[in-house]
Amino acid sequence: EIVLTQSPGTLSLSPGERATLSCRASQSVSSGYLAWYRQKPGQPPRLLIYGATITATGIPDRFSGSGSGTDFTLTISRLEPEDFAVYYCHQYGTSPFTFGPGTKVDIK
Amino acid sequence: QVQLQESGPGLVKPSQTLSLTCTVSGVSIGSGSYYWSWIRQPAGKGLEWIGQIYTTGTTNYNPSLRSRVTISVETSKNQFSLKLDSVTASDTAIYYCAKHGIETDYFEFWGQGTLVTVSS
Repeated sequence: EIVLTQSPGTLSLSPGERATLSCRASQSVSSGYLAWYRQKPGQPPRLLIYGATITATGIPDRFSGSGSGTDFTLTISRLEPEDFAVYYCHQYGTSPFTFGPGTKVDIK
Repeated sequence: QVQLQESGPGLVKPSQTLSLTCTVSGVSIGSGSYYWSWIRQPAGKGLEWIGQIYTTGTTNYNPSLRSRVTISVETSKNQFSLKLDSVTASDTAIYYCAKHGIETDYFEFWGQGTLVTVSS
């Protein structure tokens, strides 16, 4: 099973700031099959990025993904109030599909 | 607009079977090209993929749960279901159903989730 590690565990920032979240895999993620989700309290996760770099339909362009192999990054260029939430990376290249433990972005 | 809705008992006794159904609207399960999954999340914790099913009934389960899980599909009702046998308190979680992207395995749409508590 591919284990995903996310850092930092918590990121404290102010609205308007840039957020950089990291996801590292225990082995190479097949074909860059890496997704990112945002989860607000009491809601299901929402797909932001798939294929490591492709922004999902309806997602603002302040979200971008990069990386390949074992190292991936989610960048939020300017934090909006709704972006203070938990973010999960997810690899779907190798079964069993796995998720990282999450990065919480909270208000500084 | 694709929507998924989980339903089933919110309380299950230890050693019994957890049974949930996901009702899909906005897309036909029988149309093919998509996998459908169950994912769970203990309160305040991370996400665990349970397993997936294709229109044809082909399944793929997480090895950590494979011995206890059955996922089935009923295309005539546009539903798919989860059964988890011999539950314990560690199976207490929010259970989500999800639709995969076309011919791929990221989770494009999620249900709102349903809390299942295992307790006597």
